[in-house]
Amino acid sequence: QQQVKQSPQSLIVQKGGISIINCAYENTAFDYFPWYQQFPGKGPALLIAIRPDVSEKKEGRFTISFNKSAKQFSLHIMDSQPGDSATYFCAASGDGGTSYGKLTFGQGTILTVHP
Amino acid sequence: DADVTQTPRNRITKTGKRIMLECSQTKGHDRMYWYRQDPGLGLRLIYYSFDVKDINKGEISDGYSVSRQAQAKFSLSLESAIPNQTALYFCATSLSGANVLTFGAGSRLTVL
Repeated sequence: QQQVKQSPQSLIVQKGGISIINCAYENTAFDYFPWYQQFPGKGPALLIAIRPDVSEKKEGRFTISFNKSAKQFSLHIMDSQPGDSATYFCAASGDGGTSYGKLTFGQGTILTVHP
Repeated sequence: DADVTQTPRNRITKTGKRIMLECSQTKGHDRMYWYRQDPGLGLRLIYYSFDVKDINKGEISDGYSVSRQAQAKFSLSLESAIPNQTALYFCATSLSGANVLTFGAGSRLTVL
């Protein structure tokens, strides 16, 4: 079963707009929630991550919102740019010792930002 | 040079053939992983290794085996490839005290 569900599968946004990608998880043992960005022909790279002790984390134009009670988290890309066009994966894992690196990924969202 | 290097980048093989995908890293990370990416399924963990003598199965290890030849080298083998193993395979590394993965560029495998 898919323990981390991601939506939408694809997203088209105009330059300057806001891109929003949502994820929901089932396993309450998860306590580390990263987002990875993948460009064509490349491996995923960490974009931003959050732990459940905060409800929001912002890095530049990228913000994660986290709702522990609803078991949901989302990525917001403000002022979206054509260079943001990529596939985005949410993920989840435990946050310690042997849990490190064993990520459960969402299905991915292909973001296209039109100029 | 890339921090995490995967070879081959592309491989086409036939059903029943043995195939090995190799991964080497210059990050000095102790942990290494193999993930598989399929459209609509995201990435799934096949095997992981916390050090040379510690190898563990991931979510989808059936049909795969691995070898950790050195701290910097981790290979994935398909003993008898089948078409549903057609996928994009990623090697990743991390430090034992950090939850950040560094991925290679991927190996695209097609099994006919």
